[in-house]
Amino acid sequence: GQQVMQIPQYQHVQEGEDFTTYCNSSTTLSNIQWYKQRPGGHPVFLIQLVKSGEVKKQKRLTFQFGEAKKNSSLHITATQTTDVGTYFCAESEKAQKLVFGQGTRLTINP
Amino acid sequence: GAVVSQHPSWVICKSGTSVKIECRSLDFQATTMFWYRQFPKQSLMLMATSNEGSKATYEQGVEKDKFLINHASLTLSTLTVTSAHPEDSSFYICSATTGYNYGYTFGSGTRLTVV
Repeated sequence: GQQVMQIPQYQHVQEGEDFTTYCNSSTTLSNIQWYKQRPGGHPVFLIQLVKSGEVKKQKRLTFQFGEAKKNSSLHITATQTTDVGTYFCAESEKAQKLVFGQGTRLTINP
Repeated sequence: GAVVSQHPSWVICKSGTSVKIECRSLDFQATTMFWYRQFPKQSLMLMATSNEGSKATYEQGVEKDKFLINHASLTLSTLTVTSAHPEDSSFYICSATTGYNYGYTFGSGTRLTVV
């Protein structure tokens, strides 16, 4: 079945440092979605990537989809304390079964 | 944007009792809703796909007789944890989407504690 591997599991940074989380799949992904879950909260949709090699930016966040559509990354530039949370990648097929990666928990030292 | 309302936010129940969790799409119709379970510091695990007007589709290893799902209308899905035990204590979250190429909207989750 579908399986998306995400690394690292945890990341602790100093405020102002950059942060990156990676997702990899052994099979070609139809799309990749990214979610953020604050501590005690629920996942919030950030973005969806569909095209090979696609790059999208949201302020300090940069999302990439690999050329082979088997990997994706989320990069945060100059982290702020508001970035704390767990970042998940996920794949869905035709509005069915959203399958999550393991998530990367980001903590920040102010 | 799409809003999914879930309640209760938290519930404490005694072992052996049943708990019902409701998930409503407030401003859109959802023919399909999804139920997830999340243990502390772990990822979200899909439990079942709730289909309006038909039986839910359960993931492997999820007991359909224990986790009853009803999707009676286009805006409401319910998950009933029957004969709850302490190992059922978890964070249960529902989600829905307005369609392909759109992200999924999640309810605020229900933290279930079985004592």
